[in-house]
Amino acid sequence: GENVEQHPSTLSVQEGDSAVIKCTYSDSASNYFPWYKQELGKRPQLIIDIRSNVGEKKDQRIAVTLNKTAKHFSLHITETQPEDSAVYFCAADPTGNQFYFGTGTSLTVIP
Amino acid sequence: NAGVTQTPKFQVLKTGQSMTLQCAQDMNHEYMSWYRQDPGMGLRLIHYSVGAGITDQGEVPNGYNVSRSTTEDFPLRLLSAAPSQTSVYFCASSRTGAQEKLFFGSGTQLSVL
Repeated sequence: GENVEQHPSTLSVQEGDSAVIKCTYSDSASNYFPWYKQELGKRPQLIIDIRSNVGEKKDQRIAVTLNKTAKHFSLHITETQPEDSAVYFCAADPTGNQFYFGTGTSLTVIP
Repeated sequence: NAGVTQTPKFQVLKTGQSMTLQCAQDMNHEYMSWYRQDPGMGLRLIHYSVGAGITDQGEVPNGYNVSRSTTEDFPLRLLSAAPSQTSVYFCASSRTGAQEKLFFGSGTQLSVL
């Protein structure tokens, strides 16, 4: 099956700085890559996703880039705010019906 | 519109006991799935369903059974609980398949002693 690796596992940034989280995947059949945010004690929620026919997607302060050749994709958060503090999960889907999630990145934004 | 509803929120079992985690959605979603979340391991897919009467195994199916008799409900059964099944369980649904936004339930914290 697919293997998704996510780095770093923890990340601390000063408020206003940028944060970057990187994921790699193994199955070249994967063609859908979502990012989920999970606040402490809450359920995961989709924040952005990208499909393999697109190299970059942006939504206000968050963006995702995809390099299919290298099999990696990244989440970029600019102008970070304290409410961005959460655990972020990347995922890849090689079959159309099965997500394989990364192990998560705990982001702390220091005011 | 309640979204995805999971019950119970918390459960403690003894080794060998059985139980069913309930999941219901009121959005007429075809796709439903169960994940377990363990510290440092992210979310791992247990079972999924692409419609009523259709189920399939995910990444970690051993020790769990599912059925999908209606579009709305997708219960997860633990036949003989083991301490290794101590985890937080999330049910999630999407309109037609996995390559869409997943709507998660609020989770069930399960402890097996």
